[in-house]
Amino acid sequence: DVKVTQSSRYLVKRTGEKVFLECVQDMDHENMFWYRQDPGLGLRLIYFSYDVKMKEKGDIPEGYSVSREKKERFSLILESASTNQTSMYLCASSMIRTGGSYGYTFGSGTRLTVV
Amino acid sequence: GDSVTQMEGPVTLSEEAFLTINCTYTATGYPSLFWYVQYPGEGLQLLLKATKADDKGSNKGFEATYRKETTSFHLEKGSVQVSDSAVYFCALISNTNAGKSTFGDGTTLTVKP
Repeated sequence: DVKVTQSSRYLVKRTGEKVFLECVQDMDHENMFWYRQDPGLGLRLIYFSYDVKMKEKGDIPEGYSVSREKKERFSLILESASTNQTSMYLCASSMIRTGGSYGYTFGSGTRLTVV
Repeated sequence: GDSVTQMEGPVTLSEEAFLTINCTYTATGYPSLFWYVQYPGEGLQLLLKATKADDKGSNKGFEATYRKETTSFHLEKGSVQVSDSAVYFCALISNTNAGKSTFGDGTTLTVKP
């Protein structure tokens, strides 16, 4: 069964800490995405990547960075965690195909609490 | 730009009731359309999809038909179960947006026994 695996389901970090959220997919997908999900705000795209070492900003990149050193792994980094980054973080991957017709495969999410 | 508008929730139904969740979209080109489901505490799962006009996607008793003339992709199920309680997201991927998906805000469905 194909999978997107996020390293932690629940994470509690202190304000000011550097936080790494890891995402690994085993489907050889080219595209990978990081979203955050907050009540009433839906899914918001933070960063995405179409290839190794390639990244592009999404709608809310401030306070975040990403790394994609290998095709299967896409890491989200909170440089200095703040309480307003408390959220559910979702990783997704997809193939590059004409029309993007295969949809996304999501991980189970990481619920991050910054105290 | 692309946009997806979903019926606002929450929606509460009794078991075995008929479900419709409305979804309309705006997109350039010819988008592919999707419904995702999110169970409590989980990520999103692809429920069904349709890639061209008049296609019908179906899975687990859910159906949705790609209506280009009304730019709609409404989700339906004839008889819901308690286990269908979840948040449902309509989404599109436009072939002019390089593989990025546009999501609706989600509709919360609660099914009562």
